Amino acid sequence: DGGITQSPKYLFRKEGQNVTLSCEQNLNHDAMYWYRQDPGQGLRLIYYSQIVNDFQKGDIAEGYSVSREKKESFPLTVTSAQKNPTAFYLCASSRYSGNTIYFGEGSWLTVV
Amino acid sequence: GIQVEQSPPDLILQEGANSTLRCNFSDSVNNLQWFHQNPWGQLINLFYIPSGTKQNGRLSATTVATERYSLLYISSSQTTDSGVYFCAVEETSGSRLTFGEGTQLTVNP
Repeated sequence: DGGITQSPKYLFRKEGQNVTLSCEQNLNHDAMYWYRQDPGQGLRLIYYSQIVNDFQKGDIAEGYSVSREKKESFPLTVTSAQKNPTAFYLCASSRYSGNTIYFGEGSWLTVV
Repeated sequence: GIQVEQSPPDLILQEGANSTLRCNFSDSVNNLQWFHQNPWGQLINLFYIPSGTKQNGRLSATTVATERYSLLYISSSQTTDSGVYFCAVEETSGSRLTFGEGTQLTVNP
């Protein structure tokens, strides 16, 4: 089936550790995005990529890093510099920037 | 950046009732999209509607770009309509979506 796959669904991180969230899509979309959602809040953009080997910071990029080495993959690393990483992380893609956007099922990250 | 305001923040309905959700935005936009987030966190795209009116079953949406607002209509609501409804806009100057804070809808049987 076509779609966006995020893994893991649930992740626990110790303070001071980096963790990487996976996002893979088989929709042949050029644009990919990472959003963060805190309880009861809307979505905030972390990073986005319009094409392979290129990406831009969103509104809350500090403490996060990404790569876009392949069209179908856009992993997000939550570094130890992110002071409050506990949140719900959503990956999304669109055929091109500005087109209809589709979301993965999300990953819950908890710092213990 | 652009501001996106949704109202009401919370809405409780009885099954079968109709409702209207509103999304106001502070500047010109390239596009506007409506989403439904279910209780498990999954976001589903409902409409891509930069202007005009669209309908999909019991749901319809209207965007009046010149007046900077969009409305989402839900008719004959069902318990499965419960969740959070978000609107998101793309500024004319950018290529990313800005989300509103959402409307939490609860439909009781």
